[in-house]
Amino acid sequence: AQKITQTQPGMFVQEKEAVTLDCTYDTSDQSYGLFWYKQPSSGEMIFLIYQGSYDEQNATEGRYSLNFQKARKSANLVISASQLGDSAMYFCAMMRRDDKIIFGKGTRLHILP
Amino acid sequence: DTEVTQTPKHLVMGMTNKKSLKCEQHMGHRAMYWYKQKAKKPPELMFVYSYEKLSINESVPSRFSPECPNSSLLNLHLHALQPEDSALYLCASSQGRRSYNSPLHFGNGTRLTVT
Repeated sequence: AQKITQTQPGMFVQEKEAVTLDCTYDTSDQSYGLFWYKQPSSGEMIFLIYQGSYDEQNATEGRYSLNFQKARKSANLVISASQLGDSAMYFCAMMRRDDKIIFGKGTRLHILP
Repeated sequence: DTEVTQTPKHLVMGMTNKKSLKCEQHMGHRAMYWYKQKAKKPPELMFVYSYEKLSINESVPSRFSPECPNSSLLNLHLHALQPEDSALYLCASSQGRRSYNSPLHFGNGTRLTVT
């Protein structure tokens, strides 16, 4: 069965430190896409970063980077120089061939001043 | 500003009411989605429309009825809901047709309370 696993229900990080949010996935598909979303307490889902299964380079978007290790089926999100506004729920997600996107259970990130 | 617009933002309805949630996107996307999200849980897929045809129904109860009048609009008709249906309902769109590099773009959601 295809699934996404996020093993950290909650994390506390000091402001300005880097933080890594873990994500592992399970699929038998050769082609798939991996995404990270941020959901603040206001509820909107904000797209952060994408990694394709055939991409050889790790994706980067500003302070966000995705540490993609295909053989280990992991797609960890790294946030550099964390800010108070980064406090939110973070979801790892995978798109399958049938346009279905499945989400992990999420990690609640708290940035401490 | 979000490119996927959902209305209303909040909705309170009784168990005998009929109401509709609306979603609109103007990004030329051909896949549209309804997700349900309970507090502190990930979004759960309900329906997917691909090229205006219903392609996925995740065994959703018939009191939820989706409709896709055209490629830009997606509705969710609600009838005889239960209090446990109270949740945040998120609409999303993507390029569709196995576009793995096309993320979902979400609306801000409708927070539904069933009394």
